[in-house]
This record gives sequence, C-alpha cells and structure tokens, in this order.
Amino acid sequence: QSALTQPRSVSASPGQSVTISCTGTSSDVGGYNFVSWYQQHPGKAPKLMIYDVNKRPSGVPDRFSGSKSGNTASLTISGLQADDEADYYCYSYAGTYTFVFGIGTQLTVL
Amino acid sequence: EVHLLESGGGLIQPGGSLRLSCAASGFSFDEYAMHWVRQAPGKGLEWVSGISLNGGSEDYADSVRGRFTISRDNAKSSLYLRMNSLRPEDTALYYCTKDISGSGSVIEYWGQGTLVTVSS
Repeated sequence: QSALTQPRSVSASPGQSVTISCTGTSSDVGGYNFVSWYQQHPGKAPKLMIYDVNKRPSGVPDRFSGSKSGNTASLTISGLQADDEADYYCYSYAGTYTFVFGIGTQLTVL
Repeated sequence: EVHLLESGGGLIQPGGSLRLSCAASGFSFDEYAMHWVRQAPGKGLEWVSGISLNGGSEDYADSVRGRFTISRDNAKSSLYLRMNSLRPEDTALYYCTKDISGSGSVIEYWGQGTLVTVSS
C-alpha cells in the first residue's frame, strides 16, 4: 500500500491551466476506474472534485476535469482562479477493499 | 444535508487504547460504505479503514492492521474505530467519511475530524 506519486507542488498564473499527475501501479490506478480527486484548503476538510476518473459532482465547476492513461491519472484545472490555491490529493481503489491516497500536491496561483 | 460528527479523540499514552465514534445524519446510513481517513499534522491524507454497508467487508491500511478495528451500528447510524496499541505515529486528525456507494469506491463526504494525540 504505497502512496500514489504526485508532484509536491505546481504553480500557474490566474487564467492559465495546470495539470496534476497521479502515478500508481496496475494494482490501483491502472487496474480500476475508481480514481478520484480532492481539494483541501488549509484547516478545512477535503472536498470531492472528480470521481470515477472523470466525473464531476454537482456544484463543481467544469473548469475541473480528470483523465487516466495506464497507471497515471491526471487532474486539469483550466481558467485558474485565486480560490483554486489549495492542496490536491488523488485517491484510488487498490483491490481487496483497500484504498490509497496520493502524497498530495500544493497548487500555488501566482 | 449529510452530517458526520466525530468524537472520542484526545491525548493518550503510547500503548493505550481509544474508541472513536461517528454519528451520521442526513442520509440512509445503512445504504453506504464508510471509511476512516487520517491526517497527521502538516502531512497528507491516509486511508485507514473502510467497511461496507452491512459490515460484510472491511479492510485496513497495513500501518494499522491488527491494531485497529472498524465497526458500524446501522440501527444507530454510527461508525466506530477501536484503536489499540497506539503509537506516536498514530497522532493525527481522524476523519469519518461517507462513500458514494454501498460497496466502497469514492469518498463523497467528510466530517470535521477528531484529533488523536499519542504522547507520554
């Protein structure tokens, strides 16, 4: 149960796009379409942004999108806004009723 | 509105035990899988344990297997985590979370967490 690999930090300017990767193995990310993404602002509980690789919960702007290729999933945020600055975590089913998070990525909006 | 209220955290000495509770409301508790997730101070999220809607399936992170036990009482809409042989590295904010399905696939809602501090 090793944590999924994410870049520690990414940054971009308002209005630009940014993509955060999440790399696992064929036993987790690559083996199932149960990849989700969470946004966490400091001192707050995480919020679901993307689930089942590319589905958006009600209320999440369509600026947020997800995809997957092989053992790597990605979260893309377009039209960056100041409030998008937060930590982002990927999460995947890992078989036999176990789950694993990514190490987390700190997004800075310049 | 979904509401998850954790309780039971506190300061405990290494080797001690604690039982966390989570009172759920705003949804049909017996139709969804539930999970515990923790976050050490200044660190990332760690999935700890999950249990299916009827308790028939459960599992644990390797870091807690054999020491922690998850359970649920659907009649009381409550989730529990029994933590034994606590270690300093178990210090974290423990979140009660609701899955999007009955079998377990996506964490949809989070509580605000209860803090567990393991220290002498």
